[in-house]
Amino acid sequence: ETGVTQTPRHLVMGMTNKKSLKCEQHLGHNAMYWYKQSAKKPLELMFVYSLEERVENNSVPSRFSPECPNSSHLFLHLHTLQPEDSALYLCASSQDGGGRSYGYTFGSGTRLTVV
Amino acid sequence: DAKTTQPTSMDCAEGRAANLPCNHSTISGNEYVYWYRQIHSQGPQYIIHGLKNNETNEMASLIITEDRKSSTLILPHATLRDTAVYYCIVRPGGSQGNLIFGKGTKLSVKP
Repeated sequence: ETGVTQTPRHLVMGMTNKKSLKCEQHLGHNAMYWYKQSAKKPLELMFVYSLEERVENNSVPSRFSPECPNSSHLFLHLHTLQPEDSALYLCASSQDGGGRSYGYTFGSGTRLTVV
Repeated sequence: DAKTTQPTSMDCAEGRAANLPCNHSTISGNEYVYWYRQIHSQGPQYIIHGLKNNETNEMASLIITEDRKSSTLILPHATLRDTAVYYCIVRPGGSQGNLIFGKGTKLSVKP
């Protein structure tokens, strides 16, 4: 366990379903992130939350909707996804600020398959 | 876009040192060099980072050239469990930049 917990580990959903991915961090960090990793592609940064406010949305389609209710929890709500959205979705957290750079801690990811 | 260049793949014999190079010729003065690795289908794992001095921890050593245009990650005694994709990333300090991953180097440790 890294201190960042993602659930579920695996998810299969139909294109008309609505589901949510959950991420929880127990590290006291103040920033959280969603990344997507498709087969044979680099990790793509999707969303960034700092102090519970979304500070970045990297042109992600509206069928992905993030939510950060507090500094320890991050959700990714999914609806009407496409088969090409099948990927490993990774959550990360970090403690940023003060002019010093800190590392990110990643969860183990949710393997999503859209059928 | 990733600001680093790494070889696509490398092999290393078990028990030997693995030296993974990274070029970052456009690095800025306030950017750190980070190394992460990703074992198949798991989340990336932080290894080490540095600004300009060489760094060592329980996992690895990071050697940064004096001009900071390149660096080398050294795994002193590679094991089969070190087989992974290794990412070299440059990122500004504090909250000024996100962690952007490139394609990394696929390191295969062979018995």
